Amino acid sequence: GEDVEQSLFLSVREGDSSVINCTYTDSSSTYLYWYKQEPGAGLQLLTYIFSNMDMKQDQRLTVLLNKKDKHLSLRIADTQTGDSAIYFCAETRPFNDYKLSFGAGTTVTVRA
Amino acid sequence: EAQVTQNPRYLITVTGKKLTVTCSQNMNHEYMSWYRQDPGLGLRQIYYSMNVEVTDKGDVPEGYKVSRKEKRNFPLILESPSPNQTSLYFCASSLDRTSNYGYTFGSGTRLTVV
Repeated sequence: GEDVEQSLFLSVREGDSSVINCTYTDSSSTYLYWYKQEPGAGLQLLTYIFSNMDMKQDQRLTVLLNKKDKHLSLRIADTQTGDSAIYFCAETRPFNDYKLSFGAGTTVTVRA
Repeated sequence: EAQVTQNPRYLITVTGKKLTVTCSQNMNHEYMSWYRQDPGLGLRQIYYSMNVEVTDKGDVPEGYKVSRKEKRNFPLILESPSPNQTSLYFCASSLDRTSNYGYTFGSGTRLTVV
């Protein structure tokens, strides 16, 4: 989606940290989400952050939100082969009927 | 188990032959939505429904119809499928439209129109 942009590919070595970046255009975004899609499966909600927060940590996942730059990132610590998937950034806006708008997805490949 | 169930998982059809993809959720969710996923484009919303008998167009509604006669079901109808509707389709639901806790997605329906 043109309102949410992500880089398309990321390759990372097993055990390293992965950082997936996302930019969005609308400052009225209320919630921002990270979804994970494993091969042949639907989308699984990983984490979300409300727009008045800067950071959220959940086990190996850290979400950073820079509202000024409209930049969202997802850091995965100690990346494992099971983290290989497509990761989607998404947002909702109150004035857009809370429609969930997705980025194009970042394909993360974890190499041994 | 709380889930969104789509059927079929895979479908190959010919141009012009009407088809329906079913979607059912067992979580008493008010809000349901259909997305299509295409490489490099992410997920784009086709239609959504905020409650029974309330539906509205998303970003790419052309060539699709939906209905919401019951809260749990939200079928996607392609009256006259065309090859450009070949895609991976996802149904999703959430408690309400604010989707504070995200959506629950079905496993997807891969449609090929030849």
